[in-house]
Amino acid sequence: DAGVIQSPRHEVTEMGQEVTLRCKPISGHNSLFWYRQTMMRGLELLIYFNNNVPIDDSGMPEDRFSAKMPNASFSTLKIQPSEPRDSAVYFCASRIGLLDRGDNGYTFGSGTRLTVV
Amino acid sequence: LAKTTQPISMDSYEGQEVNITCSHNNIATNDYITWYQQFPSQGPRFIIQGYKTKVTNEVASLFIPADRKSSTLSLPRVSLSDTAVYYCLVGRGNTGKLIFGQGTTLQVKP
Repeated sequence: DAGVIQSPRHEVTEMGQEVTLRCKPISGHNSLFWYRQTMMRGLELLIYFNNNVPIDDSGMPEDRFSAKMPNASFSTLKIQPSEPRDSAVYFCASRIGLLDRGDNGYTFGSGTRLTVV
Repeated sequence: LAKTTQPISMDSYEGQEVNITCSHNNIATNDYITWYQQFPSQGPRFIIQGYKTKVTNEVASLFIPADRKSSTLSLPRVSLSDTAVYYCLVGRGNTGKLIFGQGTTLQVKP
């Protein structure tokens, strides 16, 4: 299993540009999560999906952020327009279901390091 | 979701046993206790999960007292490669949310 795959690994863009981050969850995992990590705020949950449906987007910071999951094997997180304060590492994670059943938890991708200049 | 409190940082030496304690006074009856490990430039990785008493796997042990208001992650004979941030998380109810606290930065020295 290739794990959760995120692309790109690094992204440098200019302020005002559109940025699209991509995630491929583990096959068979029907829940997908987007997190953002910064030194100041730590790991923040932005949005999560279950069976391709957004369940909770209360962590999305602003309307500039949007996320989609058109099918079970792909999700995108888009920032338009990007700002320097969006610079962070963005992680995608997936798991089977939502309920905590004492299993092995979430699998995270390696993240996308976004720098907005 | 139950709030967790854990030390911000810890130092240890190679070969020692490291115990990281997490307080979660408001843990709910159905909540599980889960620990994740994060290395620099990587996403968090699941280490261990438990509900009560003791759980052991190939990586660590998790000790949970009867009142479940705290838990202790035990790493036997740490090595330099165990230097990482360790997160204690408690409960998600049925919302699916996984909320991370500040974690404990463990520095293992030679």
